[in-house]
Amino acid sequence: AQSVTQPDIHITVSEGASLELRCNYSYGATPYLFWYVQSPGQGLQLLLKYFSGDTLVQGIKGFEAEFKRSQSSFNLRKPSVHWSDAAEYFCAVGDTGGFKTIFGAGTRLFVKA
Amino acid sequence: NAGVTQTPKFRILKIGQSMTLQCTQDMNHNYMYWYRQDPGMGLKLIYYSVGAGITDKGEVPNGYNVSRSTTEDFPLRLELAAPSQTSVYFCASSSGGQGDTGELFFGEGSRLTVL
Repeated sequence: AQSVTQPDIHITVSEGASLELRCNYSYGATPYLFWYVQSPGQGLQLLLKYFSGDTLVQGIKGFEAEFKRSQSSFNLRKPSVHWSDAAEYFCAVGDTGGFKTIFGAGTRLFVKA
Repeated sequence: NAGVTQTPKFRILKIGQSMTLQCTQDMNHNYMYWYRQDPGMGLKLIYYSVGAGITDKGEVPNGYNVSRSTTEDFPLRLELAAPSQTSVYFCASSSGGQGDTGELFFGEGSRLTVL
C-alpha cells in the first residue's frame, strides 16, 4: 500500500541550529515527492519537489531535500533555522494529477530563541 | 493574485444542519480537490474533480457532496452535519494539463465545528 511516514510528530530546535525532518514513503512506481509547509492559520505552500534527475533539490526559504531511493526517504534540511520557520511540515508522495497525492501526518517545528 | 479562495473561514453548525463551503480558483486549473485536516492525521482527500461536470470520491467522501459546474468553482456540501465532521477543510487545485507537475495550490482553509 502507498504511504508516507513522518516519524517525528514535533521537533524543537534553537534558532540558528540546523534542521532535518524525516520522511519515508512506500509507493509502487517512481514517485513524485513534495514537501509543503503550513504556517498557523494558513493553507499549505510548496517548499520543493522532486521528479527526477539530481537527487538533491533546492527549494524556497533556504530548504533542501535529498531523495534516497535505497532508503525510500526524502528528508528535508535547512542549515540554519530562523524563528519564522516555525510551522508544520508535510511530506507528500504522488504523481501528476494531485488526486494521487498522499500526505504524511506532518511534523510540527518549534523554534526556540 | 487571489489563487484559491475559500469561504467561510469559520463556521459553527448544530448537528443535523446543512451548509456549503465555497471554493473558487482563478488560475484556470482543471483539477480541484477538497481535503479535511484533523490533528495528527495529515490531509485526507474527500472529493476531487478533473474538470467541469466531472467529480469523483476520494478517501473519505461519506457525508459530503460536491459539484463542478464551472472550471472556477468547486463547492463542498455537508447535508446532515455530525460532530465527526468537525475539522479544517482545504480546497486545492492543480493544473491537470500537459506539464502538470503534481503541485497543489491551497486555499487558506475553513474551520468547521459541529456541536
